[in-house]
Amino acid sequence: NAGVTQTPKFQVLKTGQSMTLQCAQDMNHNSMYWYRQDPGMGLRLIYYSASEGTTDKGEVPNGYNVSRLNKREFSLRLESAAPSQTSVYFCASPSNQPQHFGDGTRLSIL
Amino acid sequence: QKEVEQNSGPLSVPEGAIASLNCTYSDRVSQSFFWYRQYSGKSPELIMSIYSNGDKEDGRFTAQLNKASQYVSLLIRDSQPSDSATYLCAVTKGTGTYKYIFGTGTRLKVLA
Repeated sequence: NAGVTQTPKFQVLKTGQSMTLQCAQDMNHNSMYWYRQDPGMGLRLIYYSASEGTTDKGEVPNGYNVSRLNKREFSLRLESAAPSQTSVYFCASPSNQPQHFGDGTRLSIL
Repeated sequence: QKEVEQNSGPLSVPEGAIASLNCTYSDRVSQSFFWYRQYSGKSPELIMSIYSNGDKEDGRFTAQLNKASQYVSLLIRDSQPSDSATYLCAVTKGTGTYKYIFGTGTRLKVLA
């Protein structure tokens, strides 16, 4: 999707491993978001950053950390992956609407 | 009670019919409301936003908002097989907040 780039697109981890999901936007937006999407659960907000230098917890922050590296980049880190974190992760960057989503990262934890 | 509720479906309608998708929300002070379409394996894409009571039309899509009843709906006229997707309702939490709460989505199937 134009404007929001997520890497990687797919990843398989073993329980206990760590990894960082990357998100970058080139739209000069202030706010950025991380969501996870599970079957039957819809999109759930993990963390968001209203502006560079600030981050706040969403609905399901446990087990995750984030870094707003600069205005463009917002990363999501799993320090010790658990099978319950198997999901599709979406990064989003709105101006005043949540309208720009990345293509998603499909993460499986064995 | 979930903060944003949608019937999971599937909602099946014949081609050319009107599809009606519904969403209720619990936070009385929510101010912004959105409908997203999500095709299988793809990311959500915004199709409608609405902020005040009443109807808002955009092409074949009409969003309807009733804040007193805490209800928002999406009508799709002249439904096409390409409209077959999951439709997600999203609501801002509270006032002056950047938090968006999504419903679980309604799967729509338009039968040719």
